[in-house]
Amino acid sequence: DAGVIQSPRHEVTEMGQEVTLRCKPISGHNSLFWYRQTMMRGLELLIYFNNNVPIDDSGMPEDRFSAKMPNASFSTLKIQPSEPRDSAVYFCASSLFGADTGELFFGEGSRLTVL
Amino acid sequence: LAKTTQPISMDSYEGQEVNITCSHNNIATNDYITWYQQFPSQGPRFIIQGYKTKVTNEVASLFIPADRKSSTLSLPRVSLSDTAVYYCLVGDTGNAGKSTFGDGTTLTVKP
Repeated sequence: DAGVIQSPRHEVTEMGQEVTLRCKPISGHNSLFWYRQTMMRGLELLIYFNNNVPIDDSGMPEDRFSAKMPNASFSTLKIQPSEPRDSAVYFCASSLFGADTGELFFGEGSRLTVL
Repeated sequence: LAKTTQPISMDSYEGQEVNITCSHNNIATNDYITWYQQFPSQGPRFIIQGYKTKVTNEVASLFIPADRKSSTLSLPRVSLSDTAVYYCLVGDTGNAGKSTFGDGTTLTVKP
């Protein structure tokens, strides 16, 4: 398996633009996580899906952020409109059993810069 | 949520054994303890997981005392390539599997 695949790896955009980040989890994994990493706040869990259903989105910063998982092999994280404070590395991770008992497999991340 | 506390940074030299301790005083009965390693510009990578006593794999050992309020990751004979951030993660079964990363420990291995 190729592992968790994220795209784009890098994105530079201007404030106010819509940003869509994509993730393909490892085939067969039933849990998917979106994290955001910044120097100031470290690794923050944004949202967690189990069997394509959002379980907990309490980490999503505000209404500008939305995430979907239309099927077991694809998820998106959308920011609309984007702001400079959204600049961060966004990681997607998948797991077979859920993070408390199963290993999290992370993608290489999408580095977002909002000017 | 079970909160974790780790040292912010540690220095070591090549060939030494490194022990990184994580405190998790309010760990729940069903929680597991997992350690991840992260290199710059990469996602975290699983190192080892345990519930109690001692777990060993090809890269590390994990020591967990009987009260489970702390755990120690042991890296034998570190090399320069072990320079990374190490995260202790405690599973939160009360929130459907959501777990929280702490601030991590930046390990710097010197020649």
